[in-house]
Amino acid sequence: GAGVSQSPSNKVTEKGKDVELRCDPISGHTALYWYRQSLGQGLEFLIYFQGNSAPDKSGLPSDRFSAERTGGSVSTLTIQRTQQEDSAVYLCASSLGTSGGNEQFFGPGTRLTVL
Amino acid sequence: AQTVTQSQPEMSVQEAETVTLSCTYDTSESNYYLFWYKQPPSRQMILVIRQEAYKQQNATENRFSVNFQKAAKSFSLKISDSQLGDTAMYFCAFYSGGSNYKLTFGKGTLLTVNP
Repeated sequence: GAGVSQSPSNKVTEKGKDVELRCDPISGHTALYWYRQSLGQGLEFLIYFQGNSAPDKSGLPSDRFSAERTGGSVSTLTIQRTQQEDSAVYLCASSLGTSGGNEQFFGPGTRLTVL
Repeated sequence: AQTVTQSQPEMSVQEAETVTLSCTYDTSESNYYLFWYKQPPSRQMILVIRQEAYKQQNATENRFSVNFQKAAKSFSLKISDSQLGDTAMYFCAFYSGGSNYKLTFGKGTLLTVNP
């Protein structure tokens, strides 16, 4: 497709289970970003990739969160031992590069609900 | 660290009228970018308008324009001839290389356009 896609659209899981969220960026975009949107915290940065490398992981809330990107394309955000406070919408964005002149294009997000 | 403040949680406007959304930010950097993003109920974040800090001229995109006051660190969005499709959450965001390539968002303003 022409835009950023994310799957699943919605995910309901039980506390303590692991979940994987997937992001397919726009073809040719070297930079990829993950953000979390929750009622209490607004939109917060989690991690970004330049190619397959993640230079800045400072936004990951805890060591239960990890992310990887393979082939300079698809990225997976994994949350282990999910907690109720992990419930949020997880947004992925991609851009041609990391320059501010490059627009970040967002996907529709994955709504995660932890019961 | 950069901060972005949107002081208006909710606003409403009549169709065809003009509305202004406020945003202030705090940074010690001189070179940065500012953005307004729109998020309709579909969750898809869409870039509305972008402003480079080194440009004195205010950005415009059709019915959308900004009032960028660098010294005051203010970046307001004006929507002219409001349309029902403008109903959405609007987020002000800041970006710089010094912010590790992440977008820092305000809490958002929910704009409702009434018929």
